[in-house]
Amino acid sequence: AQSVTQLDSQVPVFEEAPVELRCNYSSSVSVYLFWYVQYPNQGLQLLLKYLSGSTLVKGINGFEAEFNKSQTSFHLRKPSVHISDTAEYFCAVRRRSGGGADGLTFGKGTHLIIQP
Amino acid sequence: EAQVTQNPRYLITVTGKKLTVTCSQNMNHEYMSWYRQDPGLGLRQIYYSMNVEVTDKGDVPEGYKVSRKEKRNFPLILESPSPNQTSLYFCASSLSVQTGGLGELFFGEGSRLTVL
Repeated sequence: AQSVTQLDSQVPVFEEAPVELRCNYSSSVSVYLFWYVQYPNQGLQLLLKYLSGSTLVKGINGFEAEFNKSQTSFHLRKPSVHISDTAEYFCAVRRRSGGGADGLTFGKGTHLIIQP
Repeated sequence: EAQVTQNPRYLITVTGKKLTVTCSQNMNHEYMSWYRQDPGLGLRQIYYSMNVEVTDKGDVPEGYKVSRKEKRNFPLILESPSPNQTSLYFCASSLSVQTGGLGELFFGEGSRLTVL
């Protein structure tokens, strides 16, 4: 079974400041890693994903994440945030191989609050 | 346009009155799933389906039923809704990881259900 821990339920940041949202996962098998964003009153949108290859992954809206296998982490970063980045961010994993449950396991989310 | 469509988007009902939330995808995805989202709990999987006529329980299946008679449709059925099923529900679909899909889930816009 997999589990995902998002270490901060809420992160307040000033506009134009950098931000890091932390995500750690636990899994007995190899997984794909994802970050999804949910803007107020909307569905989930894929921000970025790690499948294989380079451990630094770039996504939409200037976000990037780094996969660290030894620390089982997949932290999300942005060098300069904007008011429009205010949203709920979810880290998720999905097992690579078949057998058993085949869905995404989500963390509980981090609410990013941008302060002017 | 590739999409996952849920209906209704908003519903207020009373305890015990059976309801169905429909979900349809036009991407020929094998895998479909239902999640519920509750404050502080993130997204939790209710049921999933690996293909037509193949369904299985997720993490929180109690009080729900599903069926997968056609590849494109995956309705969520609440036979006797109760107030603790008040939640935001998401349907999602993807190519199956087991058949070589890369894991990304595509989400519907969500259905907000209130049970009085």
